[in-house]
Amino acid sequence: EPEVTQTPSHQVTQMGQEVILRCVPISNHLYFYWYRQILGQKVEFLVSFYNNEISEKSEIFDDQFSVERPDGSNFTLKIRSTKLEDSAMYFCASSESAGGDYGYTFGSGTRLTVV
Amino acid sequence: RKEVEQDPGPFNVPEGATVAFNCTYSNSASQSFFWYRQDCRKEPKLLMSVYSSGNEDGRFTAQLNRASQYISLLIRDSKLSDSATYLCVVWGPGAGSYQLTFGKGTKLSVIP
Repeated sequence: EPEVTQTPSHQVTQMGQEVILRCVPISNHLYFYWYRQILGQKVEFLVSFYNNEISEKSEIFDDQFSVERPDGSNFTLKIRSTKLEDSAMYFCASSESAGGDYGYTFGSGTRLTVV
Repeated sequence: RKEVEQDPGPFNVPEGATVAFNCTYSNSASQSFFWYRQDCRKEPKLLMSVYSSGNEDGRFTAQLNRASQYISLLIRDSKLSDSATYLCVVWGPGAGSYQLTFGKGTKLSVIP
């Protein structure tokens, strides 16, 4: 079964440092997403990406966040200057269509710990 | 304002029991509806889509009532492997953008 791959599985970083989280979406999917889940809380939408540009973003996705598809397979989330409150599980997801017809397939996540 | 609201549980049930989860959503413009399952510290995995006509997948039955903005999931003959958190998820416009919006989840523990 096709899957979304995320690396690293766990990243520890010092406050103020930049981190890049990496994702390889399912190969025939065209729509890509980042979500995050703070421990004990719900999964929250960050950003959606299509055709090499951001299509939607949430209030959480402020200027310290950016996304990029640097090549034909990778999809990255960069956090420029990490804060303690950025500690969370970050999930990448992809889907075949823009609509929610079939749901999204999520990667296994990157656990980001900011110290 | 909670966009997708679920009973947090936990639901502790014996093997073989039938258990029902409920969910309400606030945005009447929501277009698609799902139940996801999330194991501890893992990613959400799609369990099933939910349709107004009701749909069944083995021991799982999902129902949607658009008029009352209510979604349900019924699990029959619970197995130990059903222990997880069940997430009610809607897709549609939320806070100005189209996205999947998650409930906080209902935790299920199936006990031997």
